[in-house]
Order: sequence, then C-alpha cells, then structure tokens
Amino acid sequence: GAGVSQSPSNKVTEKGKDVELRCDPISGHTALYWYRQSLGQGLEFLIYFQGNSAPDKSGLPSDRFSAERTGGSVSTLTIQRTQQEDSAVYLCASSRDRMNEKLFFGSGTQLSVL
Amino acid sequence: GQNIDQPTEMTATEGAIVQINCTYQTSGFNGLFWYQQHAGEAPTFLSYNVLDGLEEKGRFSSFLSRSKGYSYLLLKELQMKDSASYLCAVRGGNTGGFKTIFGAGTRLFVKA
Repeated sequence: GAGVSQSPSNKVTEKGKDVELRCDPISGHTALYWYRQSLGQGLEFLIYFQGNSAPDKSGLPSDRFSAERTGGSVSTLTIQRTQQEDSAVYLCASSRDRMNEKLFFGSGTQLSVL
Repeated sequence: GQNIDQPTEMTATEGAIVQINCTYQTSGFNGLFWYQQHAGEAPTFLSYNVLDGLEEKGRFSSFLSRSKGYSYLLLKELQMKDSASYLCAVRGGNTGGFKTIFGAGTRLFVKA
C-alpha cells in the first residue's frame, strides 16, 4: 500500500474485554514496530519484528499483551483483559530493512478503556 | 539498556533559531534520529545521524557526537508551523543494534 495502515482508528472497550489492533505495513518493509503513546508523552516501545527473526518483545508491559506478524506482513497486537491504564494511542511503524534509517508511521489506534 | 533525555518544553519566537538537545546512553549504537510530531498526528522523519558531525537539510540541521552521547536539532528561521513535539530516537540495544527507542519528546512552542 501507499502507507502504513492501522485499524481501527478508534476503539472504545469495557474493562476486562480483549481487543485486537491491526497494522498493515508498507509493502516490502521487513521491520515492523509497535509503540504506545499516552497523552502528552513520548513513544513507549512495545515490540519489534524483523524479517523471520524472533521478535524483540522486551517492551511488552505485561503478559496481557501479545503480538504476531503473519507472513512477514500484517501484524496484530492483542490486549487481553484490558485495564484503564491501557488507554493510549497505539502506533505501528515499518521500515525497509535493517540498515534503513527511517520509520514510517501509521495514524495509530486510539484505545479507550472504560 | 537505553536511556534518552531531552527537555520537556521550549519556547521560541518566530524567525529565531532554536536548538533542542538530546543526550543518550545505549549498550549499542546504530544511528540517531529526529522526528517531528504535530498534535494528534503520527511522527514524521526529520533527520538521521550515524557519524559524528552536522547534517544540514534546509532550515533543519542535526548534530551528533558519539563519544559524548549527544545530539542536537537546530531549527532556523522559525515558523509558526514548527510548533510541534520533536522526538529524539536512538537505534541500538541488545538485538544486534536495530531496535529504535524514543525519548519523551520536546514540545516546542513558537510565538509571534
């Protein structure tokens, strides 16, 4: 596609429910990141996929968070048993390869947990 | 691990020059980036430094000193549209040097 696509753009859920956030990276981009941004804060690293390598999950805040990337393309971030503190914008970014210096970001998913 | 520090907020006047500093500590280093983020929007790439020195791109310049763990972003001829957050990011760490971590960002307010 022309850019990184994320869906949904907004998600309102009740505490305790599970949510799935989707990211469709730019075609051919082998690196994919998920970040979380709370209001007025910086980007918190969550997880990093690079090609067929094992993902770097070191930023996932708890075992309620998981992510997968199918076929080296689309990625899904799943949050189980959502809590109010999970409310944030979840941003996905991709880049062409390891040595590429630029990340292209999607527009994000605004998650609100009531 | 990685740690990135930058000022929380800065204010400058239209037409002036502003320098936003960033200091970092990382177990591995593979490049430093600056991104611009307007309120409610996704970050967009501004600059990239992997070698020491100054990189100039129009009104924006970025400097890197790897030995000091220090970078700055220089914005010249400030315009009102430059009001945004500026994010310093470092690629490095424990995964062969390719994980990009962001600082908390510096909110720049440009006043008339």
